[in-house]
Amino acid sequence: KNQVEQSPQSLIILEGKNCTLQCNYTVSPFSNLRWYKQDTGRGPVSLTIMTFSENTKSNGRYTATLDADTKQSSLHITASQLSDSASYICVVTDNYGQNFVFGPGTRLSVLP
Amino acid sequence: DAGVIQSPRHEVTEMGQEVTLRCKPISGHDYLFWYRQTMMRGLELLIYFNNNVPIDDSGMPEDRFSAKMPNASFSTLKIQPSEPRDSAVYFCASRLGVLLFFGPGTRLTVL
Repeated sequence: KNQVEQSPQSLIILEGKNCTLQCNYTVSPFSNLRWYKQDTGRGPVSLTIMTFSENTKSNGRYTATLDADTKQSSLHITASQLSDSASYICVVTDNYGQNFVFGPGTRLSVLP
Repeated sequence: DAGVIQSPRHEVTEMGQEVTLRCKPISGHDYLFWYRQTMMRGLELLIYFNNNVPIDDSGMPEDRFSAKMPNASFSTLKIQPSEPRDSAVYFCASRLGVLLFFGPGTRLTVL
């Protein structure tokens, strides 16, 4: 069964600190993996999208990694800001491109 | 482009009433998705359309739910009759190629 798991479920850090969120998946065949940021009361917004051949992709202070062999991805946030407080959702698409499998998300809270 | 537009943003209704959620996808996008998000189950795909044609509605919970896409710029999700367990945030998303864009969502509360 295609599944996406994320850890931790929630995370609290102080402003300025770094953090790493994890995503494990069993989606097959694999097409791409995306990280979305969802602010409270809003729809998810794409941060990165990675294909099978990409190991690392950065978007400002966000850096995503992908290990297609172990089926793991991470999202690293550097020098966190209060505005980083949100849910971060890992989404994996199968090779047919029609099936988006959503992870449950990690709720990040950045405190001053 | 204003992005994916959904209305209403909030809806409070009583059990048994009909609810209609509306979505305007991004112009030129050929796929439209309806999702439901709850704390317990996260984001769940309800139905998606390709070029206005429903492709997969296996996620629609039951016959009380129906969706239409009469043209490329408009879709509706209808719940009739509504029940308290339908309370959730309903997202519409449109896609072109690999890029998927979500609307702001409609928060539905059924009393």
